[in-house]
Amino acid sequence: QSLLTQPPSASGTPGQRVTISCSGTASNIGSNTVNWYRHLPGAAPKLLIYNNDKRPSGVPDRFSGSKSGTSGSLTISGLQSEDESDYFCAAWDDSRTGFWVFGGGTKVTVL
Amino acid sequence: QVQLVQSGAEVKKPGASLKVSCKPSGFTFTSYGFNWVRQAPGRGLEWMGWISAFNNNTNYAQEFHERLTMTTDRATNTAYMELRSLRFDDTAVYYCARGGAILPRDVSDIWGQGTLVTVSS
Repeated sequence: QSLLTQPPSASGTPGQRVTISCSGTASNIGSNTVNWYRHLPGAAPKLLIYNNDKRPSGVPDRFSGSKSGTSGSLTISGLQSEDESDYFCAAWDDSRTGFWVFGGGTKVTVL
Repeated sequence: QVQLVQSGAEVKKPGASLKVSCKPSGFTFTSYGFNWVRQAPGRGLEWMGWISAFNNNTNYAQEFHERLTMTTDRATNTAYMELRSLRFDDTAVYYCARGGAILPRDVSDIWGQGTLVTVSS
């Protein structure tokens, strides 16, 4: 079971905005930053957003992130067909000796 | 090109040991740490642990503490994950990911392609 909760699916038409939520607890998102990854089947996950809202070099600015309390969100603005993929969130959890926790992933479909 | 290349798929019997390698290219090995994450069929991602290639410090997830050993080889710039006493539910894709050199809580920014491990009798 994933310790961060994401909706299993989301969809939109080209050009629309899609937002994916990631819900955690005080010991993970409430205390630490959220990272977002894109994961195509059979491929290496790719970092899209780190530290809640920072984009690595090369990630288009249509990808944005935010965090409020114990929840984070990833927004894809101006949805494109190539954005169809799985997306998951991650955060450090301060429980016990600390560990990474992940969301179960959200499948984004471009209609 | 910055990337992590993992060893190939394996089939193991219950009770056997598994050792997966992760070889970076395009960056200085000892400036980073490496997280190991797995995903069993139909399940979410599960963090297994972290090792620093800088000072060989480790941080293992409690669930794996007794069966897991992470190592690095500076001569070949390779990180290894060894899991012992394999069970059927260890069947998963195992990923290595580049993380912080000092703290396991630093973001993993580069991931390997994954290694499929099947535990079958």
